[in-house]
Formats: sequence, C-alpha cells, structure tokens
Amino acid sequence: QKEVEQDPGPLSVPEGAIVSLNCTYSNSAFQYFMWYRQYSRKGPELLMYTYSSGNKEDGRFTAQVDKSSKYISLFIRDSQPSDSATYLCAMTLNSGGSNYKLTFGKGTLLTVNP
Amino acid sequence: DTAVSQTPKYLVTQMGNDKSIKCEQNLGHDTMYWYKQDSKKFLKIMFSYNNKELIINETVPNRFSPKSPDKAHLNLHINSLELGDSAVYFCASSQDQGRMETQYFGPGTRLLVL
Repeated sequence: QKEVEQDPGPLSVPEGAIVSLNCTYSNSAFQYFMWYRQYSRKGPELLMYTYSSGNKEDGRFTAQVDKSSKYISLFIRDSQPSDSATYLCAMTLNSGGSNYKLTFGKGTLLTVNP
Repeated sequence: DTAVSQTPKYLVTQMGNDKSIKCEQNLGHDTMYWYKQDSKKFLKIMFSYNNKELIINETVPNRFSPKSPDKAHLNLHINSLELGDSAVYFCASSQDQGRMETQYFGPGTRLLVL
C-alpha cells in the first residue's frame, strides 16, 4: 500500500459545480497536510495547508482533515474553468532530526467545463 | 522575475549519454530539492540540500548526482541515461527544511531518453 493514495480521476464537472478531491494516508506520523495545484506543463504551487483535524477555508477552497480516519479533502465551490488543473495532496513526514520531506499523492486531473 | 528557474526546459538524448540539469532560485532560500514526476504524474522526491549540505537522498540510482555550488543553485547530473529516466524533473526551494515550509517549484525539465 502506498503511503498516500489519491483518487486519480480524471474529474470533469460543469462550471459552478462543487468539487471534492480526496486523499487517504496510511502513516499516522504525517504532520502537515497540503494541497498543491499544477497547471499543465507547469510546476506545482501551494494552494492550501493545514495541520489539525477540521476545516480550513480560503475563498472558494476548503481543506478538510480527519486524522482519525487518515483522510483529507479539498472542496472547491463555484468551480471555474480556471480551476482546471491537476490537484496533488501532499503531507510532511520527519525524515530525521529537524528534516522533513513531502510525500505527494498521484494527483487528480480536474477539468471544469464552461 | 522567475523565482525558481531550470535549464534546459526540454532535453532529448540517447541512451547511455550523460546530461546535466541546472536549477537556480532567487528567493534567498536555504533548502533546495529535486523531484521526479513520471508519466503517471507521480511526483517523488529525489534529493534535498540545506545550505549546500545533502539532507535527503531517497533511493535513487547513483547515476544521479546532485551538486550544490552555493545556496542558490542545485544541479543534477545524470550518467549513463536509461529509458526509464524519461520524466519531468522539478527543482524546488523552501526557506528552510522544517515541516511547514512552503516549497516553490520551478517549471520543470522534460527529459526524453531515446
């Protein structure tokens, strides 16, 4: 079992839809949880991060973490064509001393159709 | 101004050749990384350097040798290229190597080994 599993998609929704993107993880030692967005032929960019169970909202985006179920989600409200991208969940793990490394999910390709 | 830049953007080469990819960041960050993203979009860390010192070295063939001449640069040299090395290689940087450091990614180098 991979440490981080992500629904691979692809996901295609109409403009204005609510989108739900999900990841599960197996290692309870993961500490911080992030969502990166990657447009086609570009590098990933950080969208949101959180470290505790619960919800964190930023505009149309809500990140949700459930540490007891080892499950994280990203919700996008009122989705726009400009949200079309690959969304990668990522989590940090201590790799020794004060060093941490990011482990990514495989990414979900989202297309929002106008 | 590009925060994290990589050269070249595209690299097409024959099996068995040796090639280098260069990365530079102008963010004043202490930590730099190399990631490999395969054809299925799976993004996996290869190396990280903090203040020119190797911090993370994942299970990567020793044909891959990173080199950090200074904090702002992290280059990747690959010997005896193989077909399986074909991927997109991303450089990234962060302020430090802590658990909640935002990583800033470069645009990627698309390597195709024929």
